[in-house]
Amino acid sequence: DAKTTQPPSMDCAEGRAANLPCNHSTISGNEYVYWYRQIHSQGPQYIIHGLKNNETNEMASLIITEDRKSSTLILPHATLRDTAVYYCIVRGMNRDDKIIFGKGTRLHILP
Amino acid sequence: DAGVIQSPRHEVTEMGQEVTLRCKPISGHNSLFWYRQTMMRGLELLIYFNNNVPIDDSGMPEDRFSAKMPNASFSTLKIQPSEPRDSAVYFCASRRQGNTEAFFGQGTRLTVV
Repeated sequence: DAKTTQPPSMDCAEGRAANLPCNHSTISGNEYVYWYRQIHSQGPQYIIHGLKNNETNEMASLIITEDRKSSTLILPHATLRDTAVYYCIVRGMNRDDKIIFGKGTRLHILP
Repeated sequence: DAGVIQSPRHEVTEMGQEVTLRCKPISGHNSLFWYRQTMMRGLELLIYFNNNVPIDDSGMPEDRFSAKMPNASFSTLKIQPSEPRDSAVYFCASRRQGNTEAFFGQGTRLTVV
């Protein structure tokens, strides 16, 4: 079972920052927070991941609370191409750790 | 790198027929995953392999489903006999051991009529 909770859908105006929340209150100390997205009819695409520090790459920023029970994915300047389902996933780093997807958040970018 | 390659992209078959889906992972990746996606159930992990060995097949729905990975560059997911409820998009993904991100193929859309 997925160990995360996300809102089913969100809207964001084009050009604004999209902030996608995720709750993972049962996360354990050696588990990372990952974000993937799935654009319609395509396979999921990796975005970013983190353990406890905030992370940033060319696609997004990840803010993890100090208690690590929740996180926020930030798309700084959303475009229409960012319309997708965004999945927050918790998994460990062991060789056999599975990648389990929940229902995700359907993000609509509005022109 | 061509990424994870799945074939066929689309498959339409009649109920009762055998269906074989194929996946070529990214060269050098040690882990391979098979997922199924439907509107009702979302993305479900069916089975995954590490170094060609099946690690967890608890997501395989029933005995009609089987998966093999005869070598590091090829895997198959077979459904025999197929049923209409098997209609879904099937994704394959691979990941390098020690690397953290998984790369997904474009999927195979299976329709069983």
